[in-house]
Amino acid sequence: EAAVTQSPRNKVTVTGGNVTLSCRQTNSHNYMYWYRQDTGHGLRLIHYSYGAGNLQIGDVPDGYKATRTTQEDFFLLLELASPSQTSLYFCASSRQTNTEVFFGKGTRLTVV
Amino acid sequence: GEQVEQLPSILRVQEGSSASINCSYEDSASNYFPWYKQEPGENPKLIIDIRSNMERKQIQELIVLLDKKAKRFSLHITDTQPGDSAMYFCAASGEEGADRLTFGKGTQLIIQP
Repeated sequence: EAAVTQSPRNKVTVTGGNVTLSCRQTNSHNYMYWYRQDTGHGLRLIHYSYGAGNLQIGDVPDGYKATRTTQEDFFLLLELASPSQTSLYFCASSRQTNTEVFFGKGTRLTVV
Repeated sequence: GEQVEQLPSILRVQEGSSASINCSYEDSASNYFPWYKQEPGENPKLIIDIRSNMERKQIQELIVLLDKKAKRFSLHITDTQPGDSAMYFCAASGEEGADRLTFGKGTQLIIQP
């Protein structure tokens, strides 16, 4: 099974703080995604990428930056964290569009 | 972009009975419809998918139906078991050339003994 590893698994930060969430996939997948999951909203796409150096804007990008440094690594950056960004964040990858998406274990972020 | 509506948000069924979750989409060009299951504290995992060249697909107790005219698709779980209790998400691929899935908001399925 495809492996997607997220770190950290849990993070608490203060309002206005700077946070970086990391994701690595080791399956040579082209596509990588960052989602947030909130009760009543399901899975919402923040940013995604189809290759190193590429970045695409998702549905809820405000307050987030992302960077795909290599085929394997995709980072989500919150430069001025706000309590509204308290959420469960999932990184995911897929070989192509319209193929199975493999999710990481998630990062629970709390902004106090 | 594509919009996907998923109902119900919560579904309680008796163990051994069937459960049905319904999704609708807007973009008639959508051609790929996966279903993901998320168990408590876990990540979502693909359980079954259907493409637009099919109307029905079954994997063991899971049945997916696709009605392209009505732009609806559904997941049916027959003979539900306690292990079926989970959050379920449907998704649609969107227009030709779209490079991401759009997920529904999820259905919390609760199997009651």
